[in-house]
Amino acid sequence: DGGITQSPKYLFRKEGQNVTLSCEQNLNHDAMYWYRQDPGQGLRLIYYSQIVNDFQKGDIAEGYSVSREKKESFPLTVTSAQKNPTAFYLCASSIWVADGDEAFFGQGTRLTVV
Amino acid sequence: GENVGLHLPTLSVQEGDNSIINCAYSNSASDYFIWYKQESGKGPQFIIDIRSNMDKRQGQRVTVLLNKTVKHLSLQIAATQPGDSAVYFCAENIGVGGTYKYIFGTGTRLKVLA
Repeated sequence: DGGITQSPKYLFRKEGQNVTLSCEQNLNHDAMYWYRQDPGQGLRLIYYSQIVNDFQKGDIAEGYSVSREKKESFPLTVTSAQKNPTAFYLCASSIWVADGDEAFFGQGTRLTVV
Repeated sequence: GENVGLHLPTLSVQEGDNSIINCAYSNSASDYFIWYKQESGKGPQFIIDIRSNMDKRQGQRVTVLLNKTVKHLSLQIAATQPGDSAVYFCAENIGVGGTYKYIFGTGTRLKVLA
């Protein structure tokens, strides 16, 4: 099955700890994206990447880091610098074309700071 | 634009009636738009898309209208069913310095009344 997989589905973190969320796709997509969603709100862009070894900050990148060492993988690290990390995190991927194409989403990771 | 601090508006529709969900987008240079449906605790699912060279596109029970003059999108759902209850987001594909990203609107919660 082709698709985009996020793991784990639920994640608990103690304050002051870094945590890494996994996102893997087997769609052969060039572009990948991370969004944050708070309860009752929309999606805000954290980071995105069009090609391997390159990525750009989105609107709310502070306190987060990413890497893109492989085309299929775009892990997101929530660092201790992120003051309010509890949220639903969504990863997406798309082919990279100048006139745009559908972005496919994973099922999300719900992160809770305890 | 930013969605910080906003709560989702709600549209309540009687089962069998038509629904119209509206969205204002931010960038007049955007040339590709998508509507997504998100059920509770899940990732967004693609519904329909439209490119800027069109003003209307129809799918199964759904129609998207694009008014570039006022930067407005609408999603029309015909004969709304209980399974249509979800949150609906519009997204625009924005090009920045050779990279492309998807920016999401605030979202609208659709409640279908039996």
